[in-house]
Amino acid sequence: SQQGEEDPQALSIQEGENATMNCSYKTSINNLQWYRQNSGRGLVHLILIRSNEREKHSGRLRVTLDTSKKSSSLLITASRAADTASYFCATTLGSYIPTFGRGTSLIVHP
Amino acid sequence: KAGVTQTPRYLIKTRGQQVTLSCSPISGHRSVSWYQQTPGQGLQFLFEYFSETQRNKGNFPGRFSGRQFSNSRSEMNVSTLELGDSALYLCASSLVGERNTIYFGEGSWLTVV
Repeated sequence: SQQGEEDPQALSIQEGENATMNCSYKTSINNLQWYRQNSGRGLVHLILIRSNEREKHSGRLRVTLDTSKKSSSLLITASRAADTASYFCATTLGSYIPTFGRGTSLIVHP
Repeated sequence: KAGVTQTPRYLIKTRGQQVTLSCSPISGHRSVSWYQQTPGQGLQFLFEYFSETQRNKGNFPGRFSGRQFSNSRSEMNVSTLELGDSALYLCASSLVGERNTIYFGEGSWLTVV
């Protein structure tokens, strides 16, 4: 069963705009990660944020974590057509095996 | 460093047959996990292996099994295939001390007809 749930399920924007995806989860976590999946390919790890961190940056990516609300957001600034992909959040509990949400499908129009 | 390698990439099987999928982890990674991805269910955890031992198992029937060899390579097997087993099967590996971050292969697309 999924631990994280991404919102929205689908997002369509123009190149240059910012894209924001949200993830909500149900139980305590050790950390939360975001992955990207291009159509029919494997998942690529983007960023990990620990439960004691509130914000993290990596290039054009900004991730926030609010453990009181059990939610995280992924912001992609100045989106490019190459950012078109599905984005998944994954949470880890004591077992350390990431549990994935269903993903947000992002389409960036050139 | 080579990434996670999965073979075969695509295969078509008939209901009732069995299938074996192979995964070679990143060099130095000793933990291997398997996931099933379908449009309806998303990414579902199948099992994890470490040092040739199954360490965790997801909620799948006994038709789904796996193993890991001494060189950390892993295989998963699905017996008595059903149409609903059609999916992308993803293998991921991680370092022993960094199990939180897993690195995925490109996956094996299985179609059951």
